Amino acid sequence: DAGVIQSPRHEVTEMGQEVTLRCKPISGHDYLFWYRQTMMRGLELLIYFNNNVPIDDSGMPEDRFSAKMPNASFSTLKIQPSEPRDSAVYFCASSPRRDTQYFGPGTRLTVL
Amino acid sequence: AQTVTQSQPEMSVQEAETVTLSCTYDTSESDYYLFWYKQPPSRQMILVIRQEAYKQQNATENRFSVNFQKAAKSFSLKISDSQLGDAAMYFCAYRTTYGGSQGNLIFGKGTKLSVKP
Repeated sequence: DAGVIQSPRHEVTEMGQEVTLRCKPISGHDYLFWYRQTMMRGLELLIYFNNNVPIDDSGMPEDRFSAKMPNASFSTLKIQPSEPRDSAVYFCASSPRRDTQYFGPGTRLTVL
Repeated sequence: AQTVTQSQPEMSVQEAETVTLSCTYDTSESDYYLFWYKQPPSRQMILVIRQEAYKQQNATENRFSVNFQKAAKSFSLKISDSQLGDAAMYFCAYRTTYGGSQGNLIFGKGTKLSVKP
């Protein structure tokens, strides 16, 4: 298997623009997670899905953030409008049932 | 709520030597998972080792092993015969098996390991 795939790997945008991050989980994994990593706050869970259904979105910072999982092989995390404080590395991870989470390579987002 | 604490922000080890990274956690649950992840400069999060709380035997993966002390809520990682490629940030993580948050990984703040040639 190719592992968790994320795109783009790097994104530079200007404040106020819409940003969409994409993730393809490992085939057969029931769970999909979105994390954000910053120097100040470390790794934070934003939202996770089980069988394409959002289970816990309490980590989503504000209404500017939204996530979808239209099918078992694709998820998006959208920020609209983006702000400089959203600059971070965003990870997608997937896992089979309640077991080990496997991470994608991350998307480094810079909002100018 | 569960918490994970890594008390060593930075550690250093000589190549070929052994180093132990500390991790403690707080929980009232009896069944859970513990993990060590490695994050090299490439920023990829790589699973190093996994421990199930109900298993008394310490997990081992090649040069990596853990010392799991359930009563003390301690989960340290030992790296033997350290190699230059082991230099990275190491994160300890906890995952519950209960309730609605059963998917959530709770991370420590990480330990930066340097390996000296």
